[in-house]
Amino acid sequence: SQQGEEDPQALSIQEGENATMNCSYKTSINNLQWYRQNSGRGLVHLILIRSNEREKHSGRLRVTLDTSKKSSSLLITASRAADTASYFCATDGNTGTASKLTFGTGTRLQVTL
Amino acid sequence: NAGVTQTPKFQVLKTGQSMTLQCAQDMNHNSMYWYRQDPGMGLRLIYYSASEGTTDKGEVPNGYNVSRLNKREFSLRLESAAPSQTSVYFCASYRTRGLNQPQHFGDGTRLSIL
Repeated sequence: SQQGEEDPQALSIQEGENATMNCSYKTSINNLQWYRQNSGRGLVHLILIRSNEREKHSGRLRVTLDTSKKSSSLLITASRAADTASYFCATDGNTGTASKLTFGTGTRLQVTL
Repeated sequence: NAGVTQTPKFQVLKTGQSMTLQCAQDMNHNSMYWYRQDPGMGLRLIYYSASEGTTDKGEVPNGYNVSRLNKREFSLRLESAAPSQTSVYFCASYRTRGLNQPQHFGDGTRLSIL
């Protein structure tokens, strides 16, 4: 079963606006990752936040993590048409040497001109 | 840099046919993974190989077999394809050394079973 839920399932905004998507998960984690998937393509890694971190920035991306609530959010500031894609959170809870990701259901972001 | 390469990109099969999906990575990663993605859903893990010579089941292994041919290559086989296996299949690799790193994904194989 999926580790958690993302909301909203779909989000439509205008270029220049900020986009916020949320992710909830169920079990303890080592880290939480966000990936982007353009239509018909594979997943591209955006940002990783460790379980002992609360906030992380990368360019126009800001991720927060609240392990007490088992939730994370991804903020994309000053959105561009090129940001149109599906965004997935994935949690890694494996304690061994191999990563084992469990994905959320995704948020479809549409950025219009 | 090729990264993770999957072949074929598209395939149509009839129920009961067999097929092997190929995946190769050129990043010298130790771990490799096979996922499936159904419409409107995230990825679900089918099988993974933590290192050369080992394979383990993921969340949805039924109907599939895998082979870690060498460090670079990890194949997924459908012995008797069923319509429920219509999906997009993604291969990924992971470096292993040190925790808290991302996986690297191929562009997927779109498989339709009639």
